[in-house]
Amino acid sequence: DAGITQSPRHKVTETGTPVTLRCHQTENHRYMYWYRQDPGHGLRLIHYSYGVKDTDKGEVSDGYSVSRSKTEDFLLTLESATSSQTSVYFCAISGNGAAETQYFGPGTRLLVL
Amino acid sequence: QKEVEQNSGPLSVPEGAIASLNCTYSDRGSQSFFWYRQYSGKSPELIMSIYSNGDKEDGRFTAQLNKASQYVSLLIRDSQPSDSATYLCAVGPGNTGKLIFGQGTTLQVKP
Repeated sequence: DAGITQSPRHKVTETGTPVTLRCHQTENHRYMYWYRQDPGHGLRLIHYSYGVKDTDKGEVSDGYSVSRSKTEDFLLTLESATSSQTSVYFCAISGNGAAETQYFGPGTRLLVL
Repeated sequence: QKEVEQNSGPLSVPEGAIASLNCTYSDRGSQSFFWYRQYSGKSPELIMSIYSNGDKEDGRFTAQLNKASQYVSLLIRDSQPSDSATYLCAVGPGNTGKLIFGQGTTLQVKP
């Protein structure tokens, strides 16, 4: 998985609770991404980062926030989880060029009850 | 809205045959194109990237890009049962990392 870890790998939580997912890379790559994958929708970009403290919104950013205080860590926070945020979340990284290949982490399965 | 379209399948081919997977995209400004393979319950893994019109070959895999017609395809020669997976097409503008993914085509290779 190209030196990418995600934690936790599985999580069950209740509606209304905050949830933070962590992506950690050992490749010193500049770009990091958060996607969600749902049946019928494929992979959709939530947020991405193009450097420390530099982030931008993706296609489905409502209800999510991100932070990147170090090159190696990219955090995704669900401020108040809803059942519609039940999904598989993937982190991805790419090198110094925006057009470079993205490599994916193992994923986190989140169930919001 | 920028879109990437794939036939969801399943596409079923016999072992040893050529599998042809297709993808069309709506943004004419797209510059980077990728094919990923995803096994059930696993993360996507890169098969091919292509940036210029024409063919790009890597082992049993050939990616074909036609920017004028806005399609990209993936050919898998001598298909094996281990090729059975979902294949994701991803398209990007080239100046940001904002890839748009298709919904994926499920390939079944029957022994």
